Amino acid sequence: KQEVTQIPAALSVPEGENLVLNCSFTDSAIYNLQWFRQDPGKGLTSLLLIQSSQREQTSGRLNASLDKSSGRSTLYIAASQPGDSATYLCAGKTGSARQLTFGSGTQLTVLP
Amino acid sequence: EPEVTQTPSHQVTQMGQEVILRCVPISNHLYFYWYRQILGQKVEFLVSFYNNEISEKSEIFDDQFSVERPDGSNFTLKIRSTKLEDSAMYFCASTRAEFTGELFFGEGSRLTVL
Repeated sequence: KQEVTQIPAALSVPEGENLVLNCSFTDSAIYNLQWFRQDPGKGLTSLLLIQSSQREQTSGRLNASLDKSSGRSTLYIAASQPGDSATYLCAGKTGSARQLTFGSGTQLTVLP
Repeated sequence: EPEVTQTPSHQVTQMGQEVILRCVPISNHLYFYWYRQILGQKVEFLVSFYNNEISEKSEIFDDQFSVERPDGSNFTLKIRSTKLEDSAMYFCASTRAEFTGELFFGEGSRLTVL
């Protein structure tokens, strides 16, 4: 059964800093990994999807990487802004299941 | 940009009452899902639905839960007799491709059971 872990649980950085959020998963038979943003009391906004055949994906200031062999993914946020403050969730889909398995998220606060 | 829409945004109900949560998936998507998130906990999978059938369900999705696609656009989650522990945010999601597709989520329906 896939387990997804995100460290740290919370992170506070000053505006303008580059940062990395970590995600690890136990089952390397992963079809894809998706990163989401969740604002308090709101839904999940998809940020990036990385297929198992890909190493990384980029969208604007965001870059996500996937290393299946080590069971890790990272989300890199460049030049952070206060508007980036939210909880970031990673979720993996393994070949044996139709479901996404979510991590518990990293709550990011970017201080002005 | 196409989006998944959910209604109601918030529902308060008494324990033992039936609740129906509604979703309109993205129009060209074929695979539909319900997830839930209890306050402070991880997002959990409930059920996946394709071609008018449940394709997978979790152990949370017991006989008190059911899903239906009553017409060409709506996708519903029914909780037959709500319990206190059903209080959560319920998210609907859809995708075009089951294993490789990007999953798009709605804004959620917050269910409070008193």
